[in-house]
Formats: sequence, structure tokens, C-alpha cells
Amino acid sequence: QVLLVQSGAEVKKPGSSVNVSCKASGSTFNTYTFCWVRQAPGQGLEWMGSIIPIFSSPNYAPKFQGRVTITADESTSTVYMHLSSLKSEDTAVYYCARGGSPGIFDYWGQGSVVTVSS
Amino acid sequence: EIVLTQSPATLSLSPGERATLSCRANQSISGYLAWYQQKPGQAPRLLVYDAYHRATGIPGRFSGSGSGTDFTLTISSLESEDFAVYYCQQRGGWPRTFGQGTRVEVK
Repeated sequence: QVLLVQSGAEVKKPGSSVNVSCKASGSTFNTYTFCWVRQAPGQGLEWMGSIIPIFSSPNYAPKFQGRVTITADESTSTVYMHLSSLKSEDTAVYYCARGGSPGIFDYWGQGSVVTVSS
Repeated sequence: EIVLTQSPATLSLSPGERATLSCRANQSISGYLAWYQQKPGQAPRLLVYDAYHRATGIPGRFSGSGSGTDFTLTISSLESEDFAVYYCQQRGGWPRTFGQGTRVEVK
């Protein structure tokens, strides 16, 4: 049983940064793709970037390039998403998802709510 | 960037009816399209991948078709639990992108 468990809700000030974690269990970790997808309130899904832990070289959506960093810790089977220079528009639910094959997201975390407010 | 356009935005149907959802890409993505279902307060759920392959545990009433730029998700007979928002997503190019979603609501 594959399980992705994400860190809890965060409230951040504009201009600050946030770290969201996603701990995987139930399958081999380092050869799968893990990605981050966000969903602003009442809006659709937005792919932010992905990483394959064994290669450790992430891909980022151009929109987030320079502001997002995705890393993986093989020793704890955990993927991290760091987003900097937060704006109110970054208020969203952030999901991690596993790619059973590259780009096919078959397992999802429960989501982490990030609120950016002064 | 590959843009996916879903239509219609909202589909109002009754249980037992057939639902046909469309997803169009602005360039060819071969067969590299997936469909997800999302219910309020829940994470998305993979339904179909690579245009027509049903994901594990997905009922047979869900079927996908298409290739190139035009894709369809069909729900042959709507059950009460099928009323939700559906997203298409492509893996034919970078960055990965999603459509804006189609809401299937009770008529």
C-alpha cells in the first residue's frame, strides 16, 4: 500500500518561504518520479515540478523557476518542496504525487494548506 | 508549453445518463494524456492514463479515447459518486500541464 503523508498547514507572511514535506512508504522510493501540484482556492491544478530521487535533478515549471526547490532524502524516503518569496497568490493546497511512470500521477498525498497573509 | 482546453466547463446530467468530456491540446501529445477525478476536499484520483488505459480499481464505466490533440473521457452511466470535477493532464511535453477542469453536476 503506497502512502504519501504530507506535513501540516502553514501560515506565512508575504516575502517569506515555506517548506512542505512528503514522506513516502509502501514502495521503492528512489526510482519513482515525485512531483508537486498546487491548487489555489476554487481553482484548477497546477504542476510545479518533479524529481526522481536516484538522479536528484529536478524539473521545474517555468512559472516557478528561481522560486521553487524540490529535493529528496533517500534515507527517509521524503520529498521536500521549498517555495520562496511568497505572495498572497501562493495561497493554495500543495499536493505531492508519485509518478508510477514518468508523468502519470497514481498516488497522491493528502495535501498541505499554505496560507500567505500579512 | 502545451495548453489543454477542456469542454464543457460544466456538464449537468442525471444519474444513469452518459457523460462525454473533451480535452484538446494545442499541439500533438501522441497518446500521453491522463484523466483525474477530484471531489471536494480530496486529492485528485487517477482514472485513465495514456489516453485509454484504466488505472487500477477504476470501474469499467469510465473509458478514455483519442490521440494527437483530441481526447475524450466517457462515463457510460453516471453513478451518484461520479459527480465531481474532472481534469485532463498531459505528459507529452514539459512542463506537465493540466486542463482547467470540467464539473459534472446533478441536473
